[in-house]
Amino acid sequence: QVQLQQWGAGILKPSQTLSLSCAASGGSFSNYYWNWFRQSPEKGLVWIGKISHTGITTYNPMFSGRLTISEASSRKQFYLTLRSVTAADAAVYYCARVPRNSNYMDAWGEGTTVTVSS
Amino acid sequence: QSALTQPASVSGSPGQSITISCTGTTRDVETYNFVSWYQHHPGKAPKLIIFDVSERPSGVSYRFSGSKSGYTASLAISGLQAEDEAVYYCCSYSFSNVFVVCGGGTKLTVL
Repeated sequence: QVQLQQWGAGILKPSQTLSLSCAASGGSFSNYYWNWFRQSPEKGLVWIGKISHTGITTYNPMFSGRLTISEASSRKQFYLTLRSVTAADAAVYYCARVPRNSNYMDAWGEGTTVTVSS
Repeated sequence: QSALTQPASVSGSPGQSITISCTGTTRDVETYNFVSWYQHHPGKAPKLIIFDVSERPSGVSYRFSGSKSGYTASLAISGLQAEDEAVYYCCSYSFSNVFVVCGGGTKLTVL
């Protein structure tokens, strides 16, 4: 039974960089895509981007230029870096796993609340 | 505004059945049979309950079922139980530069 444990700083000032980590335990890191989502009352659940175990990334264009997703497959971890945050980036951020050749998320982290305030 | 449209809330009494709708577009729900549903209890990890429109993962109760007609997918929950009270999200694969689009979530209250 895979578990995703996520962590990272939850309070940021505008223009700072958001950094989150997610570790997968109890399952393989291969044969999956590793994703980040965020949820806010205004926009609902939004897909941010994904990375394969070999480091291939796909990003939501709305974050282009500010976003980096990376991985450390040997540690079964992946990471989100979002630069130049604004109040609009305040949300609950989730990591999630997508099996290869599928289009659904079969495991999720518990979420990290991110607040952006000066 | 979410990419997929869900009602903000629904309610029902124990034992009753409810349905939650999820409306998309021709770029997602209408064209692809890749709609999934997630149950989210506050403070916990969301849980996959339906994938590929109507498939249930192992261990998910038969009381949960999914369907689709045109632009709208639906999640039905029969025999409502207190533990079903949660927020439910739908997501769909999208023919766009976004892997998946999702709704704003529906809060289910068991009266």
